[in-house]
Amino acid sequence: AQSVTQLDSHVSVSEGTPVLLRCNYSSSYSPSLFWYVQHPNKGLQLLLKYTSAATLVKGINGFEAEFKKSETSFHLTKPSAHMSDAAEYFCVVSDRTNDMRFGAGTRLTVKP
Amino acid sequence: NAGVTQTPKFQVLKTGQSMTLQCAQDMNHNSMYWYRQDPGMGLRLIYYSASEGTTDKGEVPNGYNVSRLNKREFSLRLESAAPSQTSVYFCASNGRGTKTGANVLTFGAGSRLTVL
Repeated sequence: AQSVTQLDSHVSVSEGTPVLLRCNYSSSYSPSLFWYVQHPNKGLQLLLKYTSAATLVKGINGFEAEFKKSETSFHLTKPSAHMSDAAEYFCVVSDRTNDMRFGAGTRLTVKP
Repeated sequence: NAGVTQTPKFQVLKTGQSMTLQCAQDMNHNSMYWYRQDPGMGLRLIYYSASEGTTDKGEVPNGYNVSRLNKREFSLRLESAAPSQTSVYFCASNGRGTKTGANVLTFGAGSRLTVL
């Protein structure tokens, strides 16, 4: 089965500085990859998805991620952090059987 | 649009009691999922159903059973609850092949279960 490793459990940045949340995946097939965000006491929202089209994927709220097959990575970035970006972020991998696996999550803190 | 509805939102059980978490979606999605969320462990897949009439184990199926009653409904049952099953449970459905989009999960609001 496929799996996801989020390399940082907690990332702290200052407002206005870049954000990098790292994700490595393992899959026997060409995977679909996603980033979801969960704000405190809220449900999960899709940020962006990769499904074998363009390797650089743009999502909502200025986030983007790049699929790198050679590095089995799908890191999430944003040029300039905003206070409202503080949340938990999950990287997700899916194979062709519809089995969708989440990483352990990265908590993003944004300092004023 | 109701999306994914799961009940109950909160439940307290004693060890050994049984209960069923209900989930229904009105988006005509084929695939449905049950996850549990625990601090520092992300969402772990308990069971999923790729289509009506099929169910498959995920990462942590022990202690749970599921029923895909029809295309809309996917229930999760705890036959004999244990304190280790204290968690927040999320039901989700997959929009593959529909207007929602391929492999996009739509989540319910969550069910917080405490087992004493």
